[in-house]
Amino acid sequence: GQQVMQIPQYQHVQEGEDFTTYCNSSTTLSNIQWYKQRPGGHPVFLIQLVKSGEVKKQKRLTFQFGEAKKNSSLHITATQTTDVGTYFCAGENNYGQNFVFGPGTRLSVLP
Amino acid sequence: EPEVTQTPSHQVTQMGQEVILRCVPISNHLYFYWYRQILGQKVEFLVSFYNNEISEKSEIFDDQFSVERPDGSNFTLKIRSTKLEDSAMYFCASRGPLLAETTDTQYFGPGTRLTVL
Repeated sequence: GQQVMQIPQYQHVQEGEDFTTYCNSSTTLSNIQWYKQRPGGHPVFLIQLVKSGEVKKQKRLTFQFGEAKKNSSLHITATQTTDVGTYFCAGENNYGQNFVFGPGTRLSVLP
Repeated sequence: EPEVTQTPSHQVTQMGQEVILRCVPISNHLYFYWYRQILGQKVEFLVSFYNNEISEKSEIFDDQFSVERPDGSNFTLKIRSTKLEDSAMYFCASRGPLLAETTDTQYFGPGTRLTVL
């Protein structure tokens, strides 16, 4: 079955440093979504990427979808302590059916 | 900001007992999902539901699990005979109609923590 992998598993950065997490799917995706989950919280939708090679920005966050629609990345510029949490990617093969979540990257930001 | 609600927030049950987890999706949404997350692990898809029927289900969603949308607002997950390994956080999520501007946002509820003793 479809597998979604993420690296790194953990990342510790100093406040102000950049952070990147990478997501790879074993199959071509119709779209990919990114979520943030704070400790003890629920996943919160960040963005969806649909088009091959798509790049989207949300303030300090930049999301990319690979040309082959099998990989994606999330980059945070100048991290802040509020960025702490686990970032999950979730790949969808066919709309409305199922999402396969990656294992997540847990980000710690040291003040 | 629309929100998905779930009840109860925490359910403790004995092994072998039936539990029903309840969700109220966002009112105009058409796609509904159940996920589970074992403590410290990733979010796992259980089932998706559209047009009053299951669209897809995972290997986890075996005969012990069922879903219902008994009225226009509630979406329930039933586990018939709970096992110790069913202990997890269960999240409900909903997603909008295909043509709406905010279609692609999948809203998660706050979750129900299920503890099986």
